Amino acid sequence: KAGVTQTPRYLIKTRGQQVTLSCSPISGHRSVSWYQQTPGQGLQFLFEYFSETQRNKGNFPGRFSGRQFSNSRSEMNVSTLELGDSALYLCASSLRVAGGYNEQFFGPGTRLTVL
Amino acid sequence: AQSVTQPDIHITVSEGASLELRCNYSYGATPYLFWYVQSPGQGLQLLLKYFSGDTLVQGIKGFEAEFKRSQSSFNLRKPSVHWSDAAEYFCAVGGSNYQLIWGAGTKLIIKP
Repeated sequence: KAGVTQTPRYLIKTRGQQVTLSCSPISGHRSVSWYQQTPGQGLQFLFEYFSETQRNKGNFPGRFSGRQFSNSRSEMNVSTLELGDSALYLCASSLRVAGGYNEQFFGPGTRLTVL
Repeated sequence: AQSVTQPDIHITVSEGASLELRCNYSYGATPYLFWYVQSPGQGLQLLLKYFSGDTLVQGIKGFEAEFKRSQSSFNLRKPSVHWSDAAEYFCAVGGSNYQLIWGAGTKLIIKP
């Protein structure tokens, strides 16, 4: 079974631009979560999508948004990029079966650099 | 508030020596606990997890962890480390809304 894939792996953008990152979950997984990882703040939860609906959201400004498609693939978008948005963006997928916590499987991440 | 504390930012261990990485959590209910490992430039790989039952859990790569409710701890151990274990290790607790709350990570350095 293929793992979680994220594209692109590396991105360089300039301040003020916008960016879209893509995540394809493991086949059969319907939940996709996004995390931002920076040296200063560590790993922080951005949001989770399940069945094309945002189910949970972390404490990030509205410039960060996402969506999920009917095939469970997810995209996240960051508008009006700031230098502080430079980070590794990680996507994780899980089955999200009711009645318990499901293991999250992580992709390799997208390294975003904002100049 | 839910939180995870990994008190050691860096740990240096000689190859072949034993390892213990500390993790303390604050969570109102029975936690779901995880240890993940991240090699440089890589994503996160699950080492082991605790949901319920036996408080000593075995994971991949020879790692184990013990859940101690009275101490709110979930420390990771390995009896003999290998150079390939050099990486960053993250403890996480699963929140009630499926969100993972992360510790700051412990960077493991292996001395030859």
